[in-house]
Parts: sequence; C-alpha cells; structure tokens
Amino acid sequence: GNSVTQMEGPVTLSEEAFLTINCTYTATGYPSLFWYVQYPGEGLQLLLKATKADDKGSNKGFEATYRKETTSFHLEKGSVQVSDSAVYFCALNSGGSNYKLTFGKGTLLTVNP
Amino acid sequence: NAGVTQTPKFQVLKTGQSMTLQCAQDMNHNSMYWYRQDPGMGLRLIYYSASEGTTDKGEVPNGYNVSRLNKREFSLRLESAAPSQTSVYFCASRGFPLAGRTYEQYFGPGTRLTVT
Repeated sequence: GNSVTQMEGPVTLSEEAFLTINCTYTATGYPSLFWYVQYPGEGLQLLLKATKADDKGSNKGFEATYRKETTSFHLEKGSVQVSDSAVYFCALNSGGSNYKLTFGKGTLLTVNP
Repeated sequence: NAGVTQTPKFQVLKTGQSMTLQCAQDMNHNSMYWYRQDPGMGLRLIYYSASEGTTDKGEVPNGYNVSRLNKREFSLRLESAAPSQTSVYFCASRGFPLAGRTYEQYFGPGTRLTVT
C-alpha cells in the first residue's frame, strides 16, 4: 500500500535559518505529491505540490522537488520566519477515481526570533 | 466563497452519547472526505464520498457513519461516542480533476471533540 514517512519533530530553528524537512514515500504507479501546512488552531492548507518526476513545487519561499529515483519530496526554505511556525504534512495521491490522500505524521516547526 | 465549513467547532460528549458533525462546501466539488487527527498519527481517513450518492470506508471507519446529503453536504455521525473518539475532525473536499491536472483537497477548520 501507499505510505509516507517524514522526519520526526519537533524542529526548532532560529529566524533566518535554513529549513529541511525530509519526506520519503512508497506508492504504486505515479503519485502526485503535496506539502500541507497547519497553523495553530486551523485546518490544513496546501503549501505546494508536484505531479510528476523532477517537478519542483514552490510557494512562499518553500520548495520541494519530486525525486522519483529516491522516492523523496523534501521541503526546504532558505530563511525561515517566526510566522512559518506550524505543523507540516507531506502527502501523496496515487490517483484512481477516489483520489484519497495518504499523509505523513506531520512535523512541528517552531521558529524563534 | 466560504470554502469548507464545519459545525460545531468544539463539542464535549459523554460516553454513549451520539452526535453528528456537519460539513458543507460551496466550491461545487464532487468528492468529500472525513479525517481525524490525533497526536503523532497524522491524519487518518475515516470515510469518503467520491461523488454524490456514494460513500466508502477509509482507514478507520469503525464507530462512525456518514451521509452524503447532497453535493454540498457530507455529515459524520457518532452513534455511541467512546473516549477513543476524542480527536480533531477535519472535513475536506476536492473537485473533479481534468485530464492532466491534479486537484488538491481543501480542508475545513476542524471540530475538536472530547468524549469523557
């Protein structure tokens, strides 16, 4: 079956530090890959996505590249801000008529001023 | 557009009580989903409705029932609440993807349920 493994948190960084959150996946076929972000007390919002190998998704300074050879979709940001403090979820959608998402367990990021 | 709305935002139940969580979307989406979020577990799919008139079990359906009332609304019912159902519940919806496109799921703000 499908599965997503992302690095365990929590991750604590100082403002302007470099961020990497690792995500690897197992899936049949050619999944689409997503990063969602959940700010405190809110629902999940799509941060970025990639639909095929070597695609790079980007948004708000965050980037992730779909690497089929390593089955990875690591999230990166060059300079984090306090406002980036949130829980980040990696997810995949292996298609089909139901379009279910499989989520990783989430990584809590705290950015200190 | 309100997107995906959920009611109530908070609820406390006693063991054995029943309740229905409501979800509605105004984006004309075909598919709707119910998830629960527990610490260290990520989001787990309870039930989903690929289109109006259909519902299917997800990863953790036991103790829940759903109704796709119409295209807009998808409710989740707990018939006899148990402490193990204490969680945050999220509803999500998704449009019908066109060829070559991938549509993401849009999430509601969640319902925090405590069962004592």
